[in-house]
Amino acid sequence: QGQLVESGGGVVQPGGSLRLSCAASGFTFRNHGMHWVRLAPGKGLEWMTYMRYDGSETHYADSVKGRFTISRDNFKNTLYLQMTSLRPEDTGVYYCARDLVTTNTRYFDSWGQGTPVTVSS
Amino acid sequence: DIQMTQSPSSVPASVGDRVTITCRASQDINNWLAWYQQKPGTAPKLLIYAASNLQSGVPLRFSGSGSGTDFTLTISNLQPEDFATYYCQQANFFPPYTFGQGTKLEI
Repeated sequence: QGQLVESGGGVVQPGGSLRLSCAASGFTFRNHGMHWVRLAPGKGLEWMTYMRYDGSETHYADSVKGRFTISRDNFKNTLYLQMTSLRPEDTGVYYCARDLVTTNTRYFDSWGQGTPVTVSS
Repeated sequence: DIQMTQSPSSVPASVGDRVTITCRASQDINNWLAWYQQKPGTAPKLLIYAASNLQSGVPLRFSGSGSGTDFTLTISNLQPEDFATYYCQQANFFPPYTFGQGTKLEI
């Protein structure tokens, strides 16, 4: 199933920016769509954003639209999440996840270990 | 947006019990539903996809059923390692790829 390793998390002030990375290995990265999912303290999983395998299509949750940008480098086997105008409510652990879609279903079959982001002054 | 409602939000249980968690979608999602398990400090893990298909490597005591709007995850003969939070997720109508709010399985 391969491996996903996130990095780039940290502490940032409200209004600040941060770029997360997700390094993929052990599978053909360029063949898979990818997602970012967040787990905020005391809350449940929240889907953030998706990018198609070739970068031609993206989706965003309303809560991050216009502030977060997903991108990928299929030569470097890496997924990115550029986060700007960060708010305290963006605090949480950010996971990248691999998309697996068939003719009759779709699911996230492989996840990274997560990278923590804290937005606080 | 599709709303996914899980119940209960928490369930006390003991080793050896049989537990059922339900997930209701606000509209028909066919069988485009997955179940995930998450333990504190670890990544979510896929358990069930397409409502009733067991992911490779997941113990047979886990099972899923349902279609349309109502789904269940059943864990038979609970083991100590099963105490975790469980999430359902729909992927039929997106964005967003909505998760349920989670069900915490507690000792």
